[in-house]
Amino acid sequence: EVQLVESGGGLVQPGGSLRLSCAASGFPVGSNSMTWVRQAPGKGLEWVSIIYSGGNTYYADSVKGRFTISRDSSKNTLYLQMNSLRAEDTALYFCARTEPPTIPNWFDPWGQGTLVTVSS
Amino acid sequence: EIVMTQSPATLSVSPGERATLSCRASQSISSNLAWYQQKPGQAPRLLIFGASTRATGIPARFSGSGSGTEFTLTISSLQSEDFALYYCQQYNNWPRTFGQGTRVEIK
Repeated sequence: EVQLVESGGGLVQPGGSLRLSCAASGFPVGSNSMTWVRQAPGKGLEWVSIIYSGGNTYYADSVKGRFTISRDSSKNTLYLQMNSLRAEDTALYFCARTEPPTIPNWFDPWGQGTLVTVSS
Repeated sequence: EIVMTQSPATLSVSPGERATLSCRASQSISSNLAWYQQKPGQAPRLLIFGASTRATGIPARFSGSGSGTEFTLTISSLQSEDFALYYCQQYNNWPRTFGQGTRVEIK
């Protein structure tokens, strides 16, 4: 069964850092493009970042220069390193596999999400 | 950035009735559109990709149509488990963008 499980969320002060993890099972993260999407409380979905199966990475303008996406194929895990966090980064962060495998178009499946709260 | 606009924001429908949800793109996206369903406390679930192709395991009562800038998700006969939030997402351009969602509620 294909499954994604996020972890690493929590309460952090403005300017702080956090690293999110997304453990995958049922498929190799290195063979698929993988993405992070966030959802602020009561709001819609916002694409955050993607790592292509070939390793290229891209970011939304709102997080560029502050967030870094990466993966560890030996652990079959996707990561999102978040630095210089701001109040507006407060959201539920989902990881998702993109489909088709090498062309990141739609997102399926998604993990259950991990909550990041940026507040003093 | 392509802006996706969904309407209506909320749709009140009785069980067994048809629901029609709209999604408009600010520029042409061909058929590069996906639909997702999200229930409270759950992750989004892929329903439709390519504007009209149902994802694996999605019931036939869900159908998608449209191309260019105008798209529609139709639920032919609403079941209790279909009351949820629905999002459209374009994948024609970067960044990938979502609509703001349509909530389908029980009338």
